[in-house]
Amino acid sequence: AQSVTQLDSHVSVSEGTPVLLRCNYSSSYSPSLFWYVQHPNKGLQLLLKYTSAATLVKGINGFEAEFKKSETSFHLTKPSAHMSDAAEYFCVVREGYGGSQGNLIFGKGTKLSVKP
Amino acid sequence: DSGVTQTPKHLITATGQRVTLRCSPRSGDLSVYWYQQSLDQGLQFLIQYYNGEERAKGNILERFSAQQFPDLHSELNLSSLELGDSALYFCASSVEVGGDTQYFGPGTRLTVL
Repeated sequence: AQSVTQLDSHVSVSEGTPVLLRCNYSSSYSPSLFWYVQHPNKGLQLLLKYTSAATLVKGINGFEAEFKKSETSFHLTKPSAHMSDAAEYFCVVREGYGGSQGNLIFGKGTKLSVKP
Repeated sequence: DSGVTQTPKHLITATGQRVTLRCSPRSGDLSVYWYQQSLDQGLQFLIQYYNGEERAKGNILERFSAQQFPDLHSELNLSSLELGDSALYFCASSVEVGGDTQYFGPGTRLTVL
């Protein structure tokens, strides 16, 4: 079964400093991986996705993630945090076979706080 | 704005009652997914429809059911509600059943008193 593990439930950074949100995945084959963001009282917005093309994926708002098969990781980074980045971030893997094809499996989420 | 709409935004009801949540997918999307977000369970997949047919079931209770209509909108029916059903319910849509990006609606917040 596929799964994702977000290694930190809460990350706090200062504005202007780098952001690193960690995610490890478990899959028996090359997965499709996503990062979604959820701002308070809002829906989920896709930040970026990896679907077996380039291993370094660039997303919206300056975020990027690198797929590392050897480490089974898909960490999300941003060089410089902005106050508006404060939100909850979800690492997601998509079911890729069988009757559940297409369904998303979410990590527990990482809450990012940005201090002025 | 993802193009996925959900109504109502908020719903407050009592235990034992039945409610219906509605979702309209993005124009051209044939697949609809329902997810539940609660403090206990996090975000989890409930059920998926493609072009009117059920395609997959996740952790959906027997008290819950859904359908997708010919115009592709979908409804999630929750009955015999319990306090633990209080959650945010999201609908997502995608073009095909297994493919590509899912776009999420703003969610319906259900409170069961």
